[in-house]
Amino acid sequence: QKEVEQDPGPLSVPEGAIVSLNCTYSNSAFQYFMWYRQYSRKGPELLMYTYSSGNKEDGRFTAQVDKSSKYISLFIRDSQPSDSATYLCAMSTLGTNAGKSTFGDGTTLTVKP
Amino acid sequence: DAGVTQSPTHLIKTRGQQVTLRCSPISGHKSVSWYQQVLGQGPQFIFQYYEKEERGRGNFPDRFSARQFPNYSSELNVNALLLGDSALYLCASSLEFDPRTGPGNTIYFGEGSWLTVV
Repeated sequence: QKEVEQDPGPLSVPEGAIVSLNCTYSNSAFQYFMWYRQYSRKGPELLMYTYSSGNKEDGRFTAQVDKSSKYISLFIRDSQPSDSATYLCAMSTLGTNAGKSTFGDGTTLTVKP
Repeated sequence: DAGVTQSPTHLIKTRGQQVTLRCSPISGHKSVSWYQQVLGQGPQFIFQYYEKEERGRGNFPDRFSARQFPNYSSELNVNALLLGDSALYLCASSLEFDPRTGPGNTIYFGEGSWLTVV
């Protein structure tokens, strides 16, 4: 069983919809939680990162972490066609640099105009 | 400012051959990490280097090796290539390695090197 499981998708939504992307994990030592966006044939781009439990908001994006349930989510409000990409969750433990992260397998999102 | 640059962008190798992939981090970044991303999966950690020293190794066979140079650029070497080594190899750089604070700073990925083993 993988340490990080991500809802596989694919996900297709109309423009303006609220999108929910989710990951679960098994390693209780994970303390840092990140979301990356990856466009086709490009390297991942960091969207947001959160330490421990709680919410973090950045524009149309909200990241939530529930450590008691070992569950993290990324919400995208007012989704745009430009949000169409693969979204990867990633996690790392206290005492390690973000350079050593464990990734989910990604959810591919398509936002239709 | 130049981002993380990787070369070559695409290459095709035959089973049993050896390959060297190169990475130049963002200017001023001292930490380089390598990841393997198989199609349809997330990136999998291979190595991390900081100040020319290995700081982490993922669950990969000894056929995989890497090094970091004084200018902080890095090479990933894979020997005795297998069909299963076909993947996108990603390099990521960050400012520093500080195990006390965790990933407080952003890491930046390059565009990757697409390796096909036939």
